[in-house]
Amino acid sequence: SQTIHQWPATLVQPVGSPLSLECTVEGTSNPNLYWYRQAAGRGLQLLFYSVGIGQISSEVPQNLSASRPQDRQFILSSKKLLLSDSGFYLCAWSDRASNQPQHFGDGTRLSIL
Amino acid sequence: QKEVEQNSGPLSVPEGAIASLNCTYSDRGSQSFFWYRQYSGKSPELIMSIYSNGDKEDGRFTAQLNKASQYVSLLIRDSQPSDSATYLCAVNRGSWGKLQFGAGTQVVVTP
Repeated sequence: SQTIHQWPATLVQPVGSPLSLECTVEGTSNPNLYWYRQAAGRGLQLLFYSVGIGQISSEVPQNLSASRPQDRQFILSSKKLLLSDSGFYLCAWSDRASNQPQHFGDGTRLSIL
Repeated sequence: QKEVEQNSGPLSVPEGAIASLNCTYSDRGSQSFFWYRQYSGKSPELIMSIYSNGDKEDGRFTAQLNKASQYVSLLIRDSQPSDSATYLCAVNRGSWGKLQFGAGTQVVVTP
């Protein structure tokens, strides 16, 4: 069966510091991968998605970037965090076939001080 | 921007009763529809997928889809306190498996 791992679970970072969040998927090949942010009490905002190694599409302009160095690895990064980057970050995967659901990792709760 | 609309709630439901959640979407071309459950502080968990008009039942959950009216609903029968969560409606958006999520409906099951 497929599993998705996301770490760390919680992170407290000062403003201006760098960020690296990692997500890996097991048990499937060539998945679509997604990064979301969920602000407190709000809906899910799609940040990035990837359909293959090195292929990244950005949904919203922001202070963050994403990379996919391996088929089942997805990384979310920032060079300098802003207060507004606080939130609950979720990685998800879906099968390449059309109209498939997404499956989420456990998420990273990021607090910026 | 394609929209997915849900009542934010909270929807208060007595234990043992039926909880009825509604979701409307704007993109007539949507083909796949999903319901996710999200407990406070946790990540969303897929509970139902539906692709064709009509009803789909899975245990205590029933999803209903009406593409002509552009709505999808979720019924939770015999509601339990463990069903207290936020329920997210999601609709496929364009290509590459992207989904458009509603803001969610909070359900509170009272003993």
